[in-house]
Amino acid sequence: EAGVAQSPRYKIIEKRQSVAFWCNPISGHATLYWYQQILGQGPKLLIQFQNNGVVDDSQLPKDRFSAERLKGVDSTLKIQPAKLEDSAVYLCASGVGPNTEAFFGQGTRLTVV
Amino acid sequence: KNEVEQSPQNLTAQEGEFITINCSYSVGISALHWLQQHPGGGIVSLFMLSSGKKKHGRLIATINIQEKHSSLHITASHPRDSAVYICAVGAIYNQGGKLIFGQGTELSVKP
Repeated sequence: EAGVAQSPRYKIIEKRQSVAFWCNPISGHATLYWYQQILGQGPKLLIQFQNNGVVDDSQLPKDRFSAERLKGVDSTLKIQPAKLEDSAVYLCASGVGPNTEAFFGQGTRLTVV
Repeated sequence: KNEVEQSPQNLTAQEGEFITINCSYSVGISALHWLQQHPGGGIVSLFMLSSGKKKHGRLIATINIQEKHSSLHITASHPRDSAVYICAVGAIYNQGGKLIFGQGTELSVKP
């Protein structure tokens, strides 16, 4: 079974630039999560989708971050404009549904300089 | 105080040692997850449990719901076990299933 695919693996951008990350969940998984993990900390949920609807985006900085999952399958997370404090690993995870085992992708390591 | 606390934060062991990582939580949970994260960021799910004990190879996870505590044990540790181990819980109050993560335990196993 293919796992959660994320791209790119690494990205370096200058502050105030824009960046987008892509996630393809495991086939058939209705729930998709985007997490932000700052170095030395545990992951923090940015947004959770159930199919193509948003379940929880309470910790998403909506002035600069946006995410979509238009067809209920793959998803993109965008940051515009980026700040230095956005440097982190961005993890995508998917599950059959909420409260089920979550499977994580390899993550995208973003460095903002 | 964090809702999920892990101890220790850092752990260095010699190859072959028995290792225990602890996780305490303060909320009602639907399930508890143990995750492994290697350098580079990728996370692998080791266990998902809501009661009792699970074993997979040299890894054992236990949970005591009454005491709100879980432990991850590694028997006969090996340098390839070096990673960050993260405890995460699915809180009952969050019907969406959002996980609350501990800060992680960085394990280094020396040959």
